[in-house]
Amino acid sequence: AQSVTQLGSHVSVSEGALVLLRCNYSSSVPPYLFWYVQYPNQGLQLLLKYTTGATLVKGINGFEAEFKKSETSFHLTKPSAHMSDAAEYFCAVFDMNRDDKIIFGKGTRLHILP
Amino acid sequence: NAGVTQTPKFQVLKTGQSMTLQCAQDMNHNSMYWYRQDPGMGLRLIYYSASEGTTDKGEVPNGYNVSRLNKREFSLRLESAAPSQTSVYFCASSEAPGLTQYFGPGTRLLVL
Repeated sequence: AQSVTQLGSHVSVSEGALVLLRCNYSSSVPPYLFWYVQYPNQGLQLLLKYTTGATLVKGINGFEAEFKKSETSFHLTKPSAHMSDAAEYFCAVFDMNRDDKIIFGKGTRLHILP
Repeated sequence: NAGVTQTPKFQVLKTGQSMTLQCAQDMNHNSMYWYRQDPGMGLRLIYYSASEGTTDKGEVPNGYNVSRLNKREFSLRLESAAPSQTSVYFCASSEAPGLTQYFGPGTRLLVL
C-alpha cells in the first residue's frame, strides 16, 4: 500500500532562513504528489503538486519541491522564511494504479522564530 | 462561487446523541471526502464518494455513515456520538480521484 512519511512533526526556523520540510513516499509507480498548507483554524489549501513532467515544481508563496524518484522523496523548500509561513504542512500521495484516494502524511508544523 | 461549505461550524453533543454534518460544493466536482483531524494524527479519511451514487469506507469509518445526496452534497452522520469522536471534521471535493482536493473550513465537534 502507498504511504507517506513526513520527518519531524515540528520544525523551527529563523525568519529569513531556509525552510526544508521532508517527505518520503512509497509507491509502485511514479505517483502524483502534493503539498498542502493549513493556517490556524482553516481548511487545507494546495501549495503545489507534481503529476508528470518537470521534477522541480514551484508553488505559491515562494515554495518549491523536487520529485526525486531514486530517493522516493518530495521535500518542500523555501529560500527565506517569513513569519506568515507559520502553519502546518501536509504531504500527500496518489498512486493511480493502486487506489482512488489520496493518502496524507501526519503533517509538520512550521514555527518561524523572530 | 463559495467552494466547499460545511455546517455547522461548531457543535457540542452529549454521548449517545446523533447529528449530521452537512457539506456542499459548487464546483461541479465528482468526488467528495470526509476527514477527521486530531492532534498528532494528521488527516484520516472517514468515507469518500468517488462519484455520485457511490460511497466507500476510508481509514476510520466505524461510528459514521454517509450519504451522497446528489452531486453537490455529501453528509456525514454520527448515529450515537462518543467522546472519541471529538475532533475537527473536514469535507473536501475534487474533480476526480487523485486530483487536487478543495477543503471546507471544518466543523469542530466536542462530545461530552
